[in-house]
Amino acid sequence: AQTVTQSQPEMSVQEAETVTLSCTYDTSESDYYLFWYKQPPSRQMILVIRQEAYKQQNATENRFSVNFQKAAKSFSLKISDSQLGDAAMYFCAYRSAGSQGNLIFGKGTKLSVKP
Amino acid sequence: KAGVTQTPRYLIKTRGQQVTLSCSPISGHRSVSWYQQTPGQGLQFLFEYFSETQRNKGNFPGRFSGRQFSNSRSEMNVSTLELGDSALYLCASSRADRYGYTFGSGTRLTVV
Repeated sequence: AQTVTQSQPEMSVQEAETVTLSCTYDTSESDYYLFWYKQPPSRQMILVIRQEAYKQQNATENRFSVNFQKAAKSFSLKISDSQLGDAAMYFCAYRSAGSQGNLIFGKGTKLSVKP
Repeated sequence: KAGVTQTPRYLIKTRGQQVTLSCSPISGHRSVSWYQQTPGQGLQFLFEYFSETQRNKGNFPGRFSGRQFSNSRSEMNVSTLELGDSALYLCASSRADRYGYTFGSGTRLTVV
């Protein structure tokens, strides 16, 4: 069975600085997708960025980028120029490429942004 | 474009009762999934429906059930509620391709 591990329960960053959230996963599959979701106090899970395993190029969405290391099964999220609105729980998630793939989440990292 | 809508937002039920939660997906999304979120267990997959058929199910007891209607709206039902069923229940919808899921704001269920 696939598992997702986020080893940092809490992280803190100064406004305008850069922070990296870690995520590792375990799978025997070769085709899958990886996601980072953000959950602010409003509770809604918001998709931050996605990565397809067969793509070697790291995904980027504005201030958010990932470092995808397939061999190491690592998928870290870098947030540049951190803003107060980035404060939230961040969840790393894995999904098999098959039609019956569901999201498997890590336990989350609580990110605080200091003004 | 309307997002995923979940109703109600909050619910308080008594142990032993049953409850029905509703989810309206984004227009055009045929896949609807349900997740349970608790502080102790985190986010756990309940089930997924696609075109009115359950095509994937998580490791939850039979008290948890769901269905999907022809308009893709979905409901989940929990019978004989237990205190441990208190959680945030999240619904997510997706297009029938390789994109991520869009989540609703969830229903906070409290069992007393």
